[in-house]
Amino acid sequence: EAQVTQNPRYLITVTGKKLTVTCSQNMNHEYMSWYRQDPGLGLRQIYYSMNVEVTDKGDVPEGYKVSRKEKRNFPLILESPSPNQTSLYFCASSSGRLYEQYFGPGTRLTVT
Amino acid sequence: TQLLEQSPQFLSIQEGENLTVYCNSSSVFSSLQWYRQEPGEGPVLLVTVVTGGEVKKLKRLTFQFGDARKDSSLHITAAQPGDTGLYLCAGPAAGGTSYGKLTFGQGTILTVHP
Repeated sequence: EAQVTQNPRYLITVTGKKLTVTCSQNMNHEYMSWYRQDPGLGLRQIYYSMNVEVTDKGDVPEGYKVSRKEKRNFPLILESPSPNQTSLYFCASSSGRLYEQYFGPGTRLTVT
Repeated sequence: TQLLEQSPQFLSIQEGENLTVYCNSSSVFSSLQWYRQEPGEGPVLLVTVVTGGEVKKLKRLTFQFGDARKDSSLHITAAQPGDTGLYLCAGPAAGGTSYGKLTFGQGTILTVHP
């Protein structure tokens, strides 16, 4: 089954404790992206990757890091999480020039 | 930064009514996408419109791309409770150094009451 998987689905952590949210896709897509979703703000792009070893900032990259060492994986790293990073995070992948996104199920992160 | 403004933000209607959701921008988009998201799940792509003036139909849903490619609309005929969800429009950046960036509208929460 073609899918994007994220882990963990739920995470509660404390300020400053480094964490990684994993994302993997099995569709051989070159493009992958991370978003955060907050009430009233829709989806905002954090980082995206056009291919292996190629990453670019989205609209809200501050406080996040990403890497793309393999085509299928695109982890999101929060080196020192803060409460304002409490949000619902989505990973997505895309195959073509229209950037139609296939989304993962989401990771709900709470930083206390 | 290209922005997409959706209206209305909230829509609460009775089963059988018709509705239209709007997605507007001052910028030209090469294409626009519509997604539906249900609680606890990721957004799911409904349709992509590419050509100015294009109309696409998906059962009771009709999507239109404005002639100038700055706006789009989603019309639902005879809404059903199963249409309840968050509807999002999105479009890729025009290109250049922003190639690969995607902008989303803030979404329209639709509730259809039986």
